[in-house]
This record gives sequence, C-alpha cells and structure tokens, in this order.
Amino acid sequence: KNEVEQSPQNLTAQEGEFITINCSYSVGISALHWLQQHPGGGIVSLFMLSSGKKKHGRLIATINIQEKHSSLHITASHPRDSAVYICAVMEETSGSRLTFGEGTQLTVNP
Amino acid sequence: EPEVTQTPSHQVTQMGQEVILRCVPISNHLYFYWYRQILGQKVEFLVSFYNNEISEKSEIFDDQFSVERPDGSNFTLKIRSTKLEDSAMYFCASSPRLAGALTGELFFGEGSRLTVL
Repeated sequence: KNEVEQSPQNLTAQEGEFITINCSYSVGISALHWLQQHPGGGIVSLFMLSSGKKKHGRLIATINIQEKHSSLHITASHPRDSAVYICAVMEETSGSRLTFGEGTQLTVNP
Repeated sequence: EPEVTQTPSHQVTQMGQEVILRCVPISNHLYFYWYRQILGQKVEFLVSFYNNEISEKSEIFDDQFSVERPDGSNFTLKIRSTKLEDSAMYFCASSPRLAGALTGELFFGEGSRLTVL
C-alpha cells in the first residue's frame, strides 16, 4: 500500500522566510501533484511533476524519483501563502487514483 | 479563466436520505473525479470517470454511491441512504488528460459540504 508522508505537519514562519515542505512516498509513481488548500476549503493545483524541477513565481517544486521524494519551496514567504499544502501521487499501477498526504499547515506571520 | 463549479456549496440532510451533488467540469476536459475530505482528515479518492463510464473506484465507493454524466456537461455524485459518516467535503475535479499523464493537471471545484444529521 502506498504511503504518502509529509513533513512538517505544521510550519510557522516569519514573512520573507524561505519555506521547504517535504513529501516522501513508498511506491513507483507516474506523477506527483502539489496542491494548496485555502482556509475556506477550496483546493488549487500548484504543480504536477514527473521529473526534475518546476518553478512558478515564488514557488519551486522538485522531485527525485530514485529517492521517492519531492520538495515544495516558497521563497520570500508572505502571509497570503498561509494555507495547507498537500502532496498527492499517482501510482504507476493506477490509471487515475491519487493518494494524498495529510497536508502541511503553513502559517506565515507578518 | 475556466473553472469547475459545484452545487450546492453546503447541504444538510437527514440520515437515510438521498443526496445528489452536482459538478460542471471545464468544458473541454475528458477526465472527471470525485474526492472527499472528512473534517480534519486527508483527501481521499472516490472515483474517476472517462468516456461515460467509471475508470477506477476506491474501496469507499460502494453500492451506496453512483456517478453519472447525464447531459454532457454535468457530472453528479449520488449518495443513497446517507449515513452520519458520509458527512464530509466532496470535491469534484476535472483534467484534460489522466492526472498521471504529462498534461494531466487537475482543476478542482470549491467543494460541497455535506452534513448528515
């Protein structure tokens, strides 16, 4: 059974700090998604990765397929980045099922 | 910007009643999904749907649940004989490709909160 582990579970930072959220998984995957869940509950897709690195504004996502590990980085964090960040993976053996991590609650203080 | 819309945003129902949650996916997307999130827990996959049939379903998606794309635009989740433990946020999502494929980015709706009393 695939397990998706995120760390840390909770993270508090000061505005401007560099943030790293980690995700590890236990089986071969075809893709990994980073999602952002707003306080109201809505979910937004940030990245979909199958290899390497992607960058969008202040957000950077990396994945190491051999080590079964991905990181989400936020540079120059801002209070509006406060949200739950969720890692979700698509197993190689699945056509369409995502397995989600527990999420990381990020709070950025001004 | 195109978006996935869900209705209702919140529904309260009595145990044993049937509920239909509605979703309008992005118009040129081909793959549709339902997920649920029980309060305080992680998001769970329920079902995926492609070409007018279920592609994959989880162990949660038993005979109590069904999905339908009745008119080419709406994508519905029906929950029969609701139970207290069905209380959750239900998210619909769509993608132009499979969510594991190179361009399979997921677009989520805002969710429908179901409360079963």
